[in-house]
Amino acid sequence: QKEVEQNSGPLSVPEGAIASLNCTYSDRGSQSFFWYRQYSGKSPELIMSIYSNGDKEDGRFTAQLNKASQYVSLLIRDSQPSDSATYLCAVKADYGGSQGNLIFGKGTKLSVKP
Amino acid sequence: EAQVTQNPRYLITVTGKKLTVTCSQNMNHEYMSWYRQDPGLGLRQIYYSMNVEVTDKGDVPEGYKVSRKEKRNFPLILESPSPNQTSLYFCASRYRFNNQPQHFGDGTRLSIL
Repeated sequence: QKEVEQNSGPLSVPEGAIASLNCTYSDRGSQSFFWYRQYSGKSPELIMSIYSNGDKEDGRFTAQLNKASQYVSLLIRDSQPSDSATYLCAVKADYGGSQGNLIFGKGTKLSVKP
Repeated sequence: EAQVTQNPRYLITVTGKKLTVTCSQNMNHEYMSWYRQDPGLGLRQIYYSMNVEVTDKGDVPEGYKVSRKEKRNFPLILESPSPNQTSLYFCASRYRFNNQPQHFGDGTRLSIL
């Protein structure tokens, strides 16, 4: 059973701080990793994708991937109250009969305090 | 506009009355999936489909049925709904073999009394 694990939180940070969200996964063969943001009652929206070891930056967001440790993280710099949401880590199955299926973690709830 | 359309958005019904939640996408995606979301439990996959006539169970398939007779449609069927199926449901689609984003519908909130 392929698994994606996240701390459920809530993670509370003050406005302007760096929020760090972590995710581990069990499938060593996975090559594709995604972070989704979900506001309460709304559908998830993709904010970052990463495929290679190292860091990938997009505005205030940085995704980090370490395939050897099976670990992916999301950093949010200069956190804003509008960043308060649940962040879902997703891992794509990249081989076998379930190739293309996206496995989601349970999500980490982030709260940014003004 | 690329979109995944779910209907209905909200439904209150009673135990045992068969219902269908429709899902349609206009992006020619091979892959479609249904999830349910409950507080504290995250997105749990019900069923997914890799292409027409190909469906597979996810983590929580009990009490649900799906079909994929056409590429664009992937209905979720509750033959005999029960109160423990009260939840927020999402349909999603994506291209199976590349890393283009997975698109989600706006969700269907089901209440089974």
